[in-house]
Amino acid sequence: AQTVTQSQPEMSVQEAETVTLSCTYDTSENNYYLFWYKQPPSRQMILVIRQEAYKQQNATENRFSVNFQKAAKSFSLKISDSQLGDTAMYFCAFMKGNGGSQGNLIFGKGTKLSVKP
Amino acid sequence: EPEVTQTPSHQVTQMGQEVILRCVPISNHLYFYWYRQILGQKVEFLVSFYNNEISEKSEIFDDQFSVERPDGSNFTLKIRSTKLEDSAMYFCASRSTGRPDFGNGTRLTVT
Repeated sequence: AQTVTQSQPEMSVQEAETVTLSCTYDTSENNYYLFWYKQPPSRQMILVIRQEAYKQQNATENRFSVNFQKAAKSFSLKISDSQLGDTAMYFCAFMKGNGGSQGNLIFGKGTKLSVKP
Repeated sequence: EPEVTQTPSHQVTQMGQEVILRCVPISNHLYFYWYRQILGQKVEFLVSFYNNEISEKSEIFDDQFSVERPDGSNFTLKIRSTKLEDSAMYFCASRSTGRPDFGNGTRLTVT
């Protein structure tokens, strides 16, 4: 069974600074996807970034980037130039890459990020 | 951009009552999911649905739960006899071949 571990329950960062959120996972699968979701106080689930395991290049979306280390089963999220609107809960999630009907997500427990002015 | 729609946004019900949570997935998506998030906890997978049948379910998804896609557009989650511990945010998600898209959730409060 797959597991996802986020070891930082809470983090804080000053506005405009950079912060890195950690995520490790355990799987015997070779093909899979990894995601970071943002959950603001409204409790919506907003996709931040995704990474396909077969891609060596780290995914980047504007101020958000990942450090994907497949051998170490590590998938950290870096937020550059942090903004007040980045304050939210961040969840790391794993999905089997064979797709199909088993494409359900396994989530970590989340990291609560506070961006301070 | 197409989105997953969930109704209602908040539902309050009494213990023992039946509730139906509704979702309209994105129209060309093939796979549908329900997730649950108890306040302050992580998001947990409940069930996946494909080709008009359940393809996978978690331990949480016991006989009190059922899902249906009655008319080709709606996707519903029914809880037959609600318990206090069913109070949670329930998220519907759908996908084609890529990432899952989530609805905004239904907050269920059981009193």
